[in-house]
Amino acid sequence: DAEITQSPRHKITETGRQVTLACHQTWNHNNMFWYRQDLGHGLRLIHYSYGVQDTNKGEVSDGYSVSRSNTEDLPLTLESAASSQTSVYFCASSDGSLAADTQYFGPGTRLTVL
Amino acid sequence: GNSVTQMEGPVTLSEEAFLTINCTYTATGYPSLFWYVQYPGEGLQLLLKATKADDKGSNKGFEATYRKETTSFHLEKGSVQVSDSAVYFCALMSNAGGTSYGKLTFGQGTILTVHP
Repeated sequence: DAEITQSPRHKITETGRQVTLACHQTWNHNNMFWYRQDLGHGLRLIHYSYGVQDTNKGEVSDGYSVSRSNTEDLPLTLESAASSQTSVYFCASSDGSLAADTQYFGPGTRLTVL
Repeated sequence: GNSVTQMEGPVTLSEEAFLTINCTYTATGYPSLFWYVQYPGEGLQLLLKATKADDKGSNKGFEATYRKETTSFHLEKGSVQVSDSAVYFCALMSNAGGTSYGKLTFGQGTILTVHP
C-alpha cells in the first residue's frame, strides 16, 4: 500500500545544531507540505512544494529550509535549531490534480530542542 | 487572509451523547472545507469534506454542512463513542488560485474526550 513516512519519530537536539527531518511518500504525489503543530495554534504551514525543484515558503518558514530533488522526498532542515522550534512536525502530500485534494499526513516527528 | 476559528475545547461527553463542534471561517472566493481527525499518537486523517455551498460531508456517523451565509462548517454526530476520542481540526482550502492553491489553513483543534 502507498504511504507517507517520517523519520525519525522522536529527536532531541541542542540549540544551534543542524537537524534534518525526513519525509518520504510512495503515492507519486506532486504536492508535499511541512507543518508544525503547537498547542493553541493548530497546524501551521512551514514550506511546500508543487513538484521537483519547486519549493515555497509558508507562514512560519524562518529558520527552516526544504529541497525537492525527486517526487518522493521533501526533507526539512533546521539550519540552527532554536528552543522555539520544539514542536511536532507533520509532512503531508496530495495529488494536486483537484482544487479540493485530500492531503495525506505522515505520523509526525516530535522534536525537542534543549 | 484566510482563517478558521473553532470552538474552545476541550469537550468532554458521555458515550451516546450528541456532539457539535463549531467552526467558522474567513476566506476570499469559494473555499473547500474539511474536517480532519487526529487519534492519539497518529497523524491527521481526513474525516469529511465539502466543496461548495450547501454540500453535506459525512463519514463514520459525522456530518457537516457548508453554510456560506453563516461562513460555517459545524461538525455533528448523533451518538458519540469512546473510540471517537481524538483531536478534531477544521480546515479550509482556498480555490482562488495563485499562492493559495492547494494549501490548507487549519483551526486550532478541539480535543474531544468521550467517557463510557
